[in-house]
Amino acid sequence: QQQVKQSPQSLIVQKGGISIINCAYENTAFDYFPWYQQFPGKGPALLIAIRPDVSEKKEGRFTISFNKSAKQFSLHIMDSQPGDSATYFCAASMRGNTPLVFGKGTRLSVIA
Amino acid sequence: NAGVTQTPKFQVLKTGQSMTLQCAQDMNHEYMSWYRQDPGMGLRLIHYSVGAGITDQGEVPNGYNVSRSTTEDFPLRLLSAAPSQTSVYFCASSRSGSDTQYFGPGTRLTVL
Repeated sequence: QQQVKQSPQSLIVQKGGISIINCAYENTAFDYFPWYQQFPGKGPALLIAIRPDVSEKKEGRFTISFNKSAKQFSLHIMDSQPGDSATYFCAASMRGNTPLVFGKGTRLSVIA
Repeated sequence: NAGVTQTPKFQVLKTGQSMTLQCAQDMNHEYMSWYRQDPGMGLRLIHYSVGAGITDQGEVPNGYNVSRSTTEDFPLRLLSAAPSQTSVYFCASSRSGSDTQYFGPGTRLTVL
């Protein structure tokens, strides 16, 4: 049973466009929803995270939108750049030092 | 701070051989975990530890052993390697009370 479902698997966006990646979760006990960015040959790095008490969080060009009733959250990358080309993972966990449950990842390619 | 370090970066084993993947962190983090990453599968939790002397199983623990004798180190042991264990392995850590997990650079393991 996959607890966090991520879509799409791959995404191609024109430079300057908006990239949108979606995730859905099942466990209502999840309390922390991060997005990780991974470049080839590197480990994942935390990009942005949100808790369910807010519906949106923005950091620069990156925004998380959160819909608690639908159990969905999404990552929006505004003004996408070639340097944003990477694999993005959504994840979820319960509060505190509990294991992260990851989505299967989205490979983003931003083309000029 | 070196952060989370993993050795080796690459390893090739024959079926049935044993080896230990090393993970160390210098941030005095209590929580450490091991994930494996396979194409199209995201990151799946193998084992985790909330502190020295305490370990627990994750989603895919079979074929792997761990121990946590110090706060800094969290080695992952493969007792009898199988081709199904061919993967990229990531170690992560976080401090007590924080949800942010920091990942190492990974070990790429091939079992022939």
